Amino acid sequence: NAGVTQTPKFRILKIGQSMTLQCTQDMNHNYMYWYRQDPGMGLKLIYYSVGAGITDKGEVPNGYNVSRSTTEDFPLRLELAAPSQTSVYFCASTLTSGYGELFFGEGSRLTVL
Amino acid sequence: ELKVEQNPLFLSMQEGKNYTIYCNYSTTSDRLYWYRQDPGKSLESLFVLLSNGAVKQEGRLMASLDTKARLSTLHITAAVHDLSATYFCAANTGTASKLTFGTGTRLQVTL
Repeated sequence: NAGVTQTPKFRILKIGQSMTLQCTQDMNHNYMYWYRQDPGMGLKLIYYSVGAGITDKGEVPNGYNVSRSTTEDFPLRLELAAPSQTSVYFCASTLTSGYGELFFGEGSRLTVL
Repeated sequence: ELKVEQNPLFLSMQEGKNYTIYCNYSTTSDRLYWYRQDPGKSLESLFVLLSNGAVKQEGRLMASLDTKARLSTLHITAAVHDLSATYFCAANTGTASKLTFGTGTRLQVTL
């Protein structure tokens, strides 16, 4: 049972480039999330989804887009990368009917130069 | 807007000592979570506290929740080096299980 899988684990981007962070979960969780973690800080919610075809903004959505075409996958797209997007990105998921405990992927470390 | 504050932000303690990490949150939240993060790693769930007065224990860690005071504590008993990590608390905003995280407490246990 893989849980939440994120790719890539590391990536360096140049300013203005775009890329997609992939996230997939095999636990049949309806709820999925993208958080970012800046050095020495807590996690901030970027986007979330309560099911296939339904997404909504979190606290820090600017510069990002998401889609949710299947229950399993929740990719995060960065358009026109900026140095302020240098961060570690975590994808997470949880059961609709559970206790709301989030299960996290291993993270994707992104550097924008 | 829900805000979550932890203190202290950094804690250096000797092995064998006891200490408490505090987590305050600003508005009503029905659930409180504690996570552990090792350097360069993901977040691991430690405790889920679901109601006022809830207490959970695992090994040398014990977490409690006082919803009236909007306070959760994580108590460390007889610390050992393996407990060195960053500990986050998070509160539930009530919709779609969105969690708001504190800034974390970096715990360093020294010999």
